Amino acid sequence: DAGITQSPRHKVTETGTPVTLRCHQTENHRYMYWYRQDPGHGLRLIHYSYGVKDTDKGEVSDGYSVSRSKTEDFLLTLESATSSQTSVYFCAISAMSSYEQYFGPGTRLTVT
Amino acid sequence: KQEVTQIPAALSVPEGENLVLNCSFTDSAIYNLQWFRQDPGKGLTSLLLIQSSQREQTSGRLNASLDKSSGRSTLYIAASQPGDSATYLCAVSPSGNTPLVFGKGTRLSVIA
Repeated sequence: DAGITQSPRHKVTETGTPVTLRCHQTENHRYMYWYRQDPGHGLRLIHYSYGVKDTDKGEVSDGYSVSRSKTEDFLLTLESATSSQTSVYFCAISAMSSYEQYFGPGTRLTVT
Repeated sequence: KQEVTQIPAALSVPEGENLVLNCSFTDSAIYNLQWFRQDPGKGLTSLLLIQSSQREQTSGRLNASLDKSSGRSTLYIAASQPGDSATYLCAVSPSGNTPLVFGKGTRLSVIA
């Protein structure tokens, strides 16, 4: 499973509240990604990181920010959650030797 | 912009049948292609990774082929079993560590 954990695994929050999701990896991979998965849209990239403090935007980055202050942790923050951000959020890493991507178990977020 | 299409969206087959899942992509300039399996409510499990220089990869009853010039990949599942029931996702990467672009998946049901 490439040593990827996500927390929390489930969260219900109210519109307008800030939310932070955490992705933690144990194998020192440089590249990390945040995707969201929605019915009818599949998986779409939110943000990714190519090193500590190095991040870039993805296809659906509006309303999200990320931070990576150490190699093992990649945080996704919804500054002011909206109902359109109700989704399942997946973190992934890219293995340096093969570039194969491995995914975490996901966080199911519901914004009411 | 790269687009990945998977047809059919859903497939139901009797146990024991050999089957093929299709994936097509619009831009042939890919670095690799990855097939994933996703069970309901779960994360993504990597099944096979094919580098752009390869024609196929095999793992047990699974065989994935890649025709980069025509923008197509197939996932062949031999002697299907009810435990193969899941959604299968295809994704491509433009270069080694860049984020994946996903198809919307094929939902497979294998009937005992």
